[in-house]
Amino acid sequence: QQQVKQSPQSLIVQKGGISIINCAYENTAFDYFPWYQQFPGKGPALLIAIRPDVSEKKEGRFTISFNKSAKQFSLHIMDSQPGDSATYFCAASDDEKLTFGTGTRLTIIP
Amino acid sequence: GAVVSQHPSWVICKSGTSVKIECRSLDFQATTMFWYRQFPKQSLMLMATSNEGSKATYEQGVEKDKFLINHASLTLSTLTVTSAHPEDSSFYICSARDWRVNIQYFGAGTRLSVL
Repeated sequence: QQQVKQSPQSLIVQKGGISIINCAYENTAFDYFPWYQQFPGKGPALLIAIRPDVSEKKEGRFTISFNKSAKQFSLHIMDSQPGDSATYFCAASDDEKLTFGTGTRLTIIP
Repeated sequence: GAVVSQHPSWVICKSGTSVKIECRSLDFQATTMFWYRQFPKQSLMLMATSNEGSKATYEQGVEKDKFLINHASLTLSTLTVTSAHPEDSSFYICSARDWRVNIQYFGAGTRLSVL
């Protein structure tokens, strides 16, 4: 019940396109859903996060969509750029520990 | 934004020796810090939760005696890998929770190579 399922495992998007990564969870006690970006050899960096009282949150080119009834949330990266190429992790927390998804390796091609 | 400093970034040691990794919250106090391990192309695996002034809580399957955690102050937690062996080689990442906003910020990670 603590799992967070993330898909796809890898994603290739053309420059300027929209990158979409999906996550699903089981534990209804989760109340905080962050997305992290990680470059090779570096620690994860918080990108954007949402709490279940809203269905969408936008920060610049990054948007989280949250569907509480379906227990799903997704990250949309608009106008994807080569610098966005990284591994993205969704996570969920019940105010204690973070449970991470398996990660998505995103590659933006020219 | 909040900064978590982790040192060293890379360490190579001989089998049987111990290695200490430091994790500091630079601009906030962290009553809770976390230690993760990450294998290549895999997700982060929580090893233990460290609370200031008390014993760490280890996840199932993590050896307490091998991975010693100390959280002596509100800005510093340390992970000591004791009697390291090649199978302990990995990327270790700490995080600190800023209680004011309840957000975890991560360090840059430490790559441990045991020869």
